[in-house]
Parts: sequence; structure tokens; C-alpha cells
Amino acid sequence: ETGVTQTPRHLVMGMTNKKSLKCEQHLGHNAMYWYKQSAKKPLELMFVYSLEERVENNSVPSRFSPECPNSSHLFLHLHTLQPEDSALYLCASSQNPGHGTGELFFGEGSRLTVL
Amino acid sequence: QKEVEQNSGPLSVPEGAIASLNCTYSDRGSQSFFWYRQYSGKSPELIMFIYSNGDKEDGRFTAQLNKASQYVSLLIRDSQPSDSATYLCAGGGSQGNLIFGKGTKLSVKP
Repeated sequence: ETGVTQTPRHLVMGMTNKKSLKCEQHLGHNAMYWYKQSAKKPLELMFVYSLEERVENNSVPSRFSPECPNSSHLFLHLHTLQPEDSALYLCASSQNPGHGTGELFFGEGSRLTVL
Repeated sequence: QKEVEQNSGPLSVPEGAIASLNCTYSDRGSQSFFWYRQYSGKSPELIMFIYSNGDKEDGRFTAQLNKASQYVSLLIRDSQPSDSATYLCAGGGSQGNLIFGKGTKLSVKP
């Protein structure tokens, strides 16, 4: 198993659909993140979970809803998205913020297209 | 607003030359700095990290940090076409919440 796996790799959805992105990390880390990457913009931090508790959400619209059932799994539930939400969504993990290096390990990303 | 600034490029260098990538940051509280490489259509992968002022070398890569000037750089010696990618600079505190720059696109011409 690779370190951080994301599914699906590609997703096309209409504005009225409900879908979910899934992330799983096999590195024994205890913090997981969702980032959004749009063309010509920096990586934007959306959500951080540390020890399975959400610690930051950076004022992300409520049409994005994260879920972290345990330290290895992270979901991003999507509903009534807008075309401008089309982007690459990257999941990442790190080891114990505050004691680790802060180094992030990224998954391959889920390319989302909203029609 | 905490920001990390990078020249978006593209930066074009001939094969075998030194590529110099630069980054400035606004948050003086940032403790650690990272350089990630991202190939087109792929996810970012860590190249180097640096915490202390000065230089840190790893193979063909050297990271430089100057906290007084809030400046971070990455030098790539003997550049290869396989180094062609977008390089992301990121800074952050010990909580691991990194702030990324937009990235610099590097092109190494054979």
C-alpha cells in the first residue's frame, strides 16, 4: 500500500449531486488534511484533523463537509457544489503536529469537475 | 494574512546549470520551511526542509534560510530535464499547518 491513497482519482458531478472523496493513510500519522489546488493559486488549506478532532476549517463553505472517523481515514462530503469548486483536492497526513517536522505526505489527489 | 510569495516563472535553465528558486514569507512566527516538487498531474513530494538559518545540502539540492530577511531559497546544481516541475515553497509553525506559495515552474532544457 502506498502512503496516502485517495479515491476516486477523477470525479464529475452536477451541481445538485452529492458525492464523497475518500482518503486513507498507511503511515501511522495522527493528523490529516484536505487541501484545494486550483490553477494559478496556492494550495489552500481547507480542513485539519489532529487526533481525529477538527482543529481548523479556514472558513470553507458549508457545501464541503469533512468527516474523520479515525486517524487513518478522512472523507470530504460534497453537495450542491458550484462550477468554481472544480479543482484538485489533495489529502495529506503528518505525524503529531507539535512534535513532528510538520512534513506533509500527500495523496495523488482527486480531480473534481462540477458541471 | 500570512503569505508565501514565489515568482511563478517559468524559470528556464540549460541542462547542467544551477537553478535558483526563491521564496519570501510574511509570518515571522514561521519555524520550518519546506520545498515540494510537483510534476504535472501529480501530487507534491517533499524535496527538502530547513529550520535553521544558513544552508542545508542534500545531494544536488541546497536549501538556504535567512530568517532576518524572511527569505528561503532552493538551489539545484547540475540541473537535469527530469528536474522540470513546479516547485512549491511552504512555511509553517510546529502545528504542521503549512502556508504554500503559488509555486515556480522550472524548465530544464536539454
